Amino acid sequence: DTEVTQTPKHLVMGMTNKKSLKCEQHMGHRAMYWYKQKAKKPPELMFVYSYEKLSINESVPSRFSPECPNSSLLNLHLHALQPEDSALYLCASSQERDIGNSPLHFGNGTRLTVT
Amino acid sequence: SQKIEQNSEALNIQEGKTATLTCNYTNYSPAYLQWYRQDPGRGPVFLLLIRENEKEKRKERLKVTFDTTLKQSLFHITASQPADSATYLCALGSSGGSYIPTFGRGTSLIVHP
Repeated sequence: DTEVTQTPKHLVMGMTNKKSLKCEQHMGHRAMYWYKQKAKKPPELMFVYSYEKLSINESVPSRFSPECPNSSLLNLHLHALQPEDSALYLCASSQERDIGNSPLHFGNGTRLTVT
Repeated sequence: SQKIEQNSEALNIQEGKTATLTCNYTNYSPAYLQWYRQDPGRGPVFLLLIRENEKEKRKERLKVTFDTTLKQSLFHITASQPADSATYLCALGSSGGSYIPTFGRGTSLIVHP
């Protein structure tokens, strides 16, 4: 089991639904990340939060909306998704944003299917 | 354009042998390189980090080399076991990318008993 917990493990949603993915870590890490991974592809960075402030948005469509309520929690709000958004959504954390000194700790992801 | 290349074909080896995986990159000046292991349906797990000024790092049965002239990293698993079967991802971080890791697509390793 990882120290980064993601819920739900699986999610099926229609294109008109609104849902949220949740991520929690209690390692005292101050940087948190959302990555998207399609089958046989590398994880692709979506968002980075550093000290609870959004520091990087990799030109992600507005139908994905991140939120960092506190230093332990990270949410990803989903609305009006497309079938091509189906993927494994991975949350990660690191001690600080200087990754050269601290690696990423990933959760096991939420497998999202958009119908 | 920037590229991180890992063999897309699976590497099949016999238990007890040394597995060697390759990560090549172009148009990067990495400050560091990391290796992660990913099992099906799970998130990547960090294994090793090597910095631009380091040639080699070891951890138990794992060894990573980093050649910035060849723009290549090699990842070795000695005395491989079936439990080592997984996909191994390399990730580069550079100042141009705010030091956030960018991942290669990974190479699948299958260790046969």
